[in-house]
Amino acid sequence: NAGVTQTPKFQVLKTGQSMTLQCAQDMNHNSMYWYRQDPGMGLRLIYYSASEGTTDKGEVPNGYNVSRLNKREFSLRLESAAPSQTSVYFCASSVASGRQSTDTQYFGPGTRLTVL
Amino acid sequence: AQSVTQLDSQVPVFEEAPVELRCNYSSSVSVYLFWYVQYPNQGLQLLLKYLSGSTLVKGINGFEAEFNKSQTSFHLRKPSVHISDTAEYFCAVSDQGNTGFQKLVFGTGTRLLVSP
Repeated sequence: NAGVTQTPKFQVLKTGQSMTLQCAQDMNHNSMYWYRQDPGMGLRLIYYSASEGTTDKGEVPNGYNVSRLNKREFSLRLESAAPSQTSVYFCASSVASGRQSTDTQYFGPGTRLTVL
Repeated sequence: AQSVTQLDSQVPVFEEAPVELRCNYSSSVSVYLFWYVQYPNQGLQLLLKYLSGSTLVKGINGFEAEFNKSQTSFHLRKPSVHISDTAEYFCAVSDQGNTGFQKLVFGTGTRLLVSP
């Protein structure tokens, strides 16, 4: 039982390049999330998927797209990377219990992305 | 909308000393309250959460937090810290009325530095 896994762990991109961050969970969770973590700003929600087949924008969606490939996998794509997207990206999942506000979110180890 | 304020960006403490990490929140609706911990180079994991009932909540690794509605606070405490408690601690709130997904609003984090 690996929990939430993310690949890659580290990535360096040049401005304008594209890449996809992969996330998978093996806990049969319904909801999945993508956050970015920047110094002094805590975690901010980029996109979320409340259930398989649905995705919605979070607080900071500009410059990103997501795909909920199946119940296990939720990917984040940067179509044209910018230096402002240099950050640590975390994927998380939660069971979506019906009282979603009470759920515990389980986080992956993160991807450290640098855009030059 | 909710907001979370963690008043201390960094708290240095000696091993075996007590510690309190402060968290205040602002919300026009009722919220659930969470503390997450992030060990170096890892994702976040849940320490404890307050949903209802007793205002004193016990979590993992000897941590506890007290919900104070009148002061809109949810401070985290540990009576005796260990070197291994060195980490970043995030306070977060979730809107009780939001049933579609869990929107967690995070504070900016407090780095706890435990020295011998």
